Amino acid sequence: ETGVTQSPTHLIKTRGQQVTLRCSSQSGHNTVSWYQQALGQGPQFIFQYYREEENGRGNFPPRFSGLQFPNYSSELNVNALELDDSALYLCASSLALGSNTGELFFGEGSRLTVL
Amino acid sequence: TQLLEQSPQFLSIQEGENLTVYCNSSSVFSSLQWYRQEPGEGPVLLVTVVTGGEVKKLKRLTFQFGDARKDSSLHITAAQTGDTGLYLCARTGGFKTIFGAGTRLFVKA
Repeated sequence: ETGVTQSPTHLIKTRGQQVTLRCSSQSGHNTVSWYQQALGQGPQFIFQYYREEENGRGNFPPRFSGLQFPNYSSELNVNALELDDSALYLCASSLALGSNTGELFFGEGSRLTVL
Repeated sequence: TQLLEQSPQFLSIQEGENLTVYCNSSSVFSSLQWYRQEPGEGPVLLVTVVTGGEVKKLKRLTFQFGDARKDSSLHITAAQTGDTGLYLCARTGGFKTIFGAGTRLFVKA
C-alpha cells in the first residue's frame, strides 16, 4: 500500500506566475483535501475533492483551483501568485464514510516560495 | 482565522519532564483529533476522541476530551527527544477538518 505522494517537493516562483502542484492519494482513498501551512501556523483548509467534484472550500480566492482525476489523484493550481502564497502546501487523502472525512493521511508537502 | 486555540504556542523542556498542552474552542466539537507533525513531514494522526470525558492513552501520551466537548488536553509523561514536533488539534465533522495553530514542542537531551 503506497502512501500519499506530492510533487514537486520544493519550488520557487515569481509574483504573477502560475503553479501546479500534484498529489497521488493513498490506495483505496476517494477523497483529497488540500491545505496551506504558512510558517509557524497550522494547516488552513483550501478545498476538498470527492469523486472528481469539489466538495467544500475554505476562505481562499478563486485563483486557487483544483482537479481530481478518475484515479483519485489531484492537482492544485494557483494563478497570479502573490508573495503571501509562500507556504507549505499539504495534500491529504481519506476515505469518506457518509458525511465524515475521518482520518487524514498527509503527504510530505510541496514548499512554494514566491519571490 | 483559527477557530481552535492551542496553548502554549511553544514549549521547550528537558528530557524526562512531563508536560500538558491544551486545545480550546467556543463551540462544541463533534469529534476532535490530535496530530503530530515533524519537521519536513506532513501531520500524522495520534488519536480521535468522540465522547465527552473520554480519556485515551497511547504509550506515554494521555488524551482527554472535556465533558462539554469544547476542550481537550494532551499530557506527555517523561518526554523524550523523539517527542519533538508540532502538536495540532483538529475538529472534524462534515467535509472538512479544521486545525489549530499548534504547540511547537522541543525536548532537549
